[in-house]
Amino acid sequence: QKEVEQNSGPLSVPEGAIASLNCTYSDRVSQSFFWYRQYSGKSPELIMSIYSNGDKEDGRFTAQLNKASQYVSLLIRDSQPSDSATYLCAVDPGTGRRALTFGSGTRLQVQP
Amino acid sequence: DTEVTQTPKHLVMGMTNKKSLKCEQHMGHRAMYWYKQKAKKPPELMFVYSYEKLSINESVPSRFSPECPNSSLLNLHLHALQPEDSALYLCASSQATGTGGYEQYFGPGTRLTVT
Repeated sequence: QKEVEQNSGPLSVPEGAIASLNCTYSDRVSQSFFWYRQYSGKSPELIMSIYSNGDKEDGRFTAQLNKASQYVSLLIRDSQPSDSATYLCAVDPGTGRRALTFGSGTRLQVQP
Repeated sequence: DTEVTQTPKHLVMGMTNKKSLKCEQHMGHRAMYWYKQKAKKPPELMFVYSYEKLSINESVPSRFSPECPNSSLLNLHLHALQPEDSALYLCASSQATGTGGYEQYFGPGTRLTVT
């Protein structure tokens, strides 16, 4: 069973701090990795995608990928209360199935 | 424009009813998906259409019947559902081919309650 693991949280950080969200995956052939943000009662919103080892930055968000360690993370700088949501890590298994495997999500709480 | 639309937003149906969920995208994507999401759980893949052909059925009960009339539209026909089928039903779309990866964009979902 191919798995994507996330700490369910909640991860609580003060406003203005850096939030660090982590994800590990079991399938070594995985090629594409995504972070989605989901507010309660809403649908998932794509915030980052990453395909190569290293860092990818987009505004306050940085995705980090280490394929050797099978680890992908999301850093949120200058966290705001509006960042409070569940963050889902999703992995494309790289089999051509076009089917994402989702982690169970990490709930982030940013305290004002 | 990364918009996927879904109708209706909310649906309440009895176990003997027949209803349909609709999804539309105008991003030129040729892959479309149906997911089911229960509370506090991640989305669970149900079906994948690629170039209007069903490519993945994740062993979904036959009371759920997908249809892809054209490259922009995706329907999910519902019949004789059970109360445990109550969930948020999400549609998504993405490119169907390409190297490096792809991004799936989700619609707002249909909140389904089966009574």
